[in-house]
Amino acid sequence: DAGITQSPRHKVTETGTPVTLRCHQTENHRYMYWYRQDPGHGLRLIHYSYGVKDTDKGEVSDGYSVSRSKTEDFLLTLESATSSQTSVYFCASKREGTEAFFGQGTRLTVV
Amino acid sequence: RKEVEQDPGPFNVPEGATVAFNCTYSNSASQSFFWYRQDCRKEPKLLMSVYSSGNEDGRFTAQLNRASQYISLLIRDSKLSDSATYLCVVNTPHGGNNRKLIWGLGTSLAVNP
Repeated sequence: DAGITQSPRHKVTETGTPVTLRCHQTENHRYMYWYRQDPGHGLRLIHYSYGVKDTDKGEVSDGYSVSRSKTEDFLLTLESATSSQTSVYFCASKREGTEAFFGQGTRLTVV
Repeated sequence: RKEVEQDPGPFNVPEGATVAFNCTYSNSASQSFFWYRQDCRKEPKLLMSVYSSGNEDGRFTAQLNRASQYISLLIRDSKLSDSATYLCVVNTPHGGNNRKLIWGLGTSLAVNP
């Protein structure tokens, strides 16, 4: 399995607090992605990155920001968490033209 | 029209049955295709890539039809352990030399004893 890890694996936070999720990969993959997955919606792309400091918005980017200062790390920040951001978050990474590898997911609950 | 579409199912089949899933995509410039498997509350994992000539991996066969813009997954001799959600993924051009992964919503399979 590709070396991609997410932290934390579980988090409960209060509405209005900032939250940062970390994705770390050891494969030197160029592309990295943050998804959220909710029942009935499948995987929805939040933000993605083509390389260091090169990011773009996905289909559900409102309320989220990302940073990629190093190839191996892709951070997802919820500036002010809301209950609608309760979800399972998956990070993925890939090389050009190959399949994507996923982290094990982060279960975030906003109360 | 969605960029990638799958029948959500659920498909309920008995052990030993053959089952097939299709996935259609809208961008004719799409270049690579994959089937992933996702178990409940777990991350998606690659099942197989889909090659232009079709490819087989044990009980699983994947095919690509570029003219009609769909890919398929055939599972023969279904096992209880095949119960999962199967996700279709298409790698599509997205501005310049960049590519974007487009995911289907998944097809749910339940194999029954």
